[in-house]
Amino acid sequence: NAGVTQTPKFQVLKTGQSMTLQCAQDMNHEYMSWYRQDPGMGLRLIHYSVGAGITDQGEVPNGYNVSRSTTEDFPLRLLSAAPSQTSVYFCASSYSDLPYSTGGTEAFFGQGTRLTVV
Amino acid sequence: TQLLEQSPQFLSIQEGENLTVYCNSSSVFSSLQWYRQEPGEGPVLLVTVVTGGEVKKLKRLTFQFGDARKDSSLHITAAQTGDTGLYLCAGKNTGGFKTIFGAGTRLFVKA
Repeated sequence: NAGVTQTPKFQVLKTGQSMTLQCAQDMNHEYMSWYRQDPGMGLRLIHYSVGAGITDQGEVPNGYNVSRSTTEDFPLRLLSAAPSQTSVYFCASSYSDLPYSTGGTEAFFGQGTRLTVV
Repeated sequence: TQLLEQSPQFLSIQEGENLTVYCNSSSVFSSLQWYRQEPGEGPVLLVTVVTGGEVKKLKRLTFQFGDARKDSSLHITAAQTGDTGLYLCAGKNTGGFKTIFGAGTRLFVKA
């Protein structure tokens, strides 16, 4: 059982380059989300999806795009990388994000992608 | 914007000591979760609390959700070196699908 798989684990980009962070889950979870983690700031929500074809913005969406064509995959695209996007990025999935879901609301996280923009 | 403030930010204690970390907000949350994160890994869920005043125990860890569902605490009894890590609280807002994380409490337990 792979859970949530993120690739790559490490990446260095030059300012202005674009790239896609991959996220895949094999638990048939409807809800998926992307966070960035910076020192002293915890995890901040970038974008999330409540199912295939449905995405919405989180707290810090600027400079990032997402799409959800399948239940399993939720890639995050950096359109034109900036040094301010240097961070550790986590993808998470859960059965549901509704507070009283009988299927549980536990979020399963990937191992993260450490991105440096120079 | 809903905020979750965690305190203390950093805690260094001796093995065997007790400790409490706090998670506070001015907003009401429908549920609150505590996660533990180790270096190089993603957070792992410890507990979810849903009802105001709820207390849950997980071995030496005791979690409490405030009566007004605006705050929570995590108490560890007789800390062990294996408890070392970053503890994060996360609240789910009452209206939508977003989850807000606190900045975390970094705990270091010395042998």
